[in-house]
Amino acid sequence: DSGVTQTPKHLITATGQRVTLRCSPRSGDLSVYWYQQSLDQGLQFLIQYYNGEERAKGNILERFSAQQFPDLHSELNLSSLELGDSALYFCASSVGGVAGNNEQFFGPGTRLTVL
Amino acid sequence: AQSVTQPDIHITVSEGASLELRCNYSYGATPYLFWYVQSPGQGLQLLLKYFSGDTLVQGIKGFEAEFKRSQSSFNLRKPSVHWSDAAEYFCAVGLTDKLIFGTGTRLQVFP
Repeated sequence: DSGVTQTPKHLITATGQRVTLRCSPRSGDLSVYWYQQSLDQGLQFLIQYYNGEERAKGNILERFSAQQFPDLHSELNLSSLELGDSALYFCASSVGGVAGNNEQFFGPGTRLTVL
Repeated sequence: AQSVTQPDIHITVSEGASLELRCNYSYGATPYLFWYVQSPGQGLQLLLKYFSGDTLVQGIKGFEAEFKRSQSSFNLRKPSVHWSDAAEYFCAVGLTDKLIFGTGTRLQVFP
């Protein structure tokens, strides 16, 4: 158990809908990262928040957005969903704000299926 | 551009045999390097990391990896594989703002 929690575990929805994925980082970690894992794209970094502020952006679509709240939990919002958004979405957390040299602890993921 | 290559998509070994998973990276500076393991239905767990210093790094579960700058490689090894090692293994390069992952190697272990 990494100490990172993600809800829900599974999400099934229809095209055009909007969903929210939630992540609670390990106690004491200030950074939260979001990743998307799909068969065709592999594991892709989406976005990072550090202590409530956006720190880095990766391959995140404009239809997707995220935020980190004062209690450090984070939410990833996916809107106007398409079939291709079906994937496993991971959240990770770390103590520091530099992705490269901080160990990231991963949550179990949320599996999103868009029908 | 920075990239990570794991040339072996799928590897099958017998239990008790030795294992080496290959990882090559493309990065201009000295990289931060990681190996993660993903068991079915699970998140990623860090096996080991290299930041600097000794190029032979010991990790959890009996794994080790060797950083070879001249070959731009960071191969993962284990002397004797256990059936519970069956999983997907990801090599990653740490940049300032993100981790770049390889495409993964799926390890199958036969009894």
